[in-house]
Amino acid sequence: GENVEQHPSTLSVQEGDSAVIKCTYSDSASNYFPWYKQELGKRPQLIIDIRSNVGEKKDQRIAVTLNKTAKHFSLHITETQPEDSAVYFCAASIGDKIIFGKGTRLHILP
Amino acid sequence: NAGVTQTPKFQVLKTGQSMTLQCAQDMNHEYMSWYRQDPGMGLRLIHYSVGAGITDQGEVPNGYNVSRSTTEDFPLRLLSAAPSQTSVYFCASSYGDGNTDTQYFGPGTRLTVL
Repeated sequence: GENVEQHPSTLSVQEGDSAVIKCTYSDSASNYFPWYKQELGKRPQLIIDIRSNVGEKKDQRIAVTLNKTAKHFSLHITETQPEDSAVYFCAASIGDKIIFGKGTRLHILP
Repeated sequence: NAGVTQTPKFQVLKTGQSMTLQCAQDMNHEYMSWYRQDPGMGLRLIHYSVGAGITDQGEVPNGYNVSRSTTEDFPLRLLSAAPSQTSVYFCASSYGDGNTDTQYFGPGTRLTVL
């Protein structure tokens, strides 16, 4: 079925360290993989996305990698800061839908 | 641009009542969608629309109806509210093909069904 799995559900990292969140998807035809950040009480907002014709994309401290053969993609945040604390969602295009993972709550420890 | 707007912000219903959650966007986006967010369940797609006059079901469509008579508006109707529909509802819109472009979310509607 249409499925996007995301893990871990909760992640705690020391400020300054790196954080990695991983997702897998079920549909080999998926070609668009966005990541959204949701702060407490706010709406989700896009932070980075990747399309199936590239394997990696970077934007300052944030990077996303895609392995189409294995059907998984990952979000990497380097040099984490307190403002990175939030819930992060991966998503994948499945047919003409966007299906989200269940989210990862990221805690940045002082 | 106001972006994506949703009304109301909060709503309390009794079981069996009906209501419509409103969603509007002023960005001339073709693609619009409704999600519900429950703790630990992420964002689950209820219904979506690729353009005016066209709607389709998402992952959890039961108990909800939608219509898309204009590009700007995409209301979500609960015909007979149930406690299981207690959730935060987000509307989103995208330019172009929608499922391959940035989705812009509204501020959400927090619904409680007693």
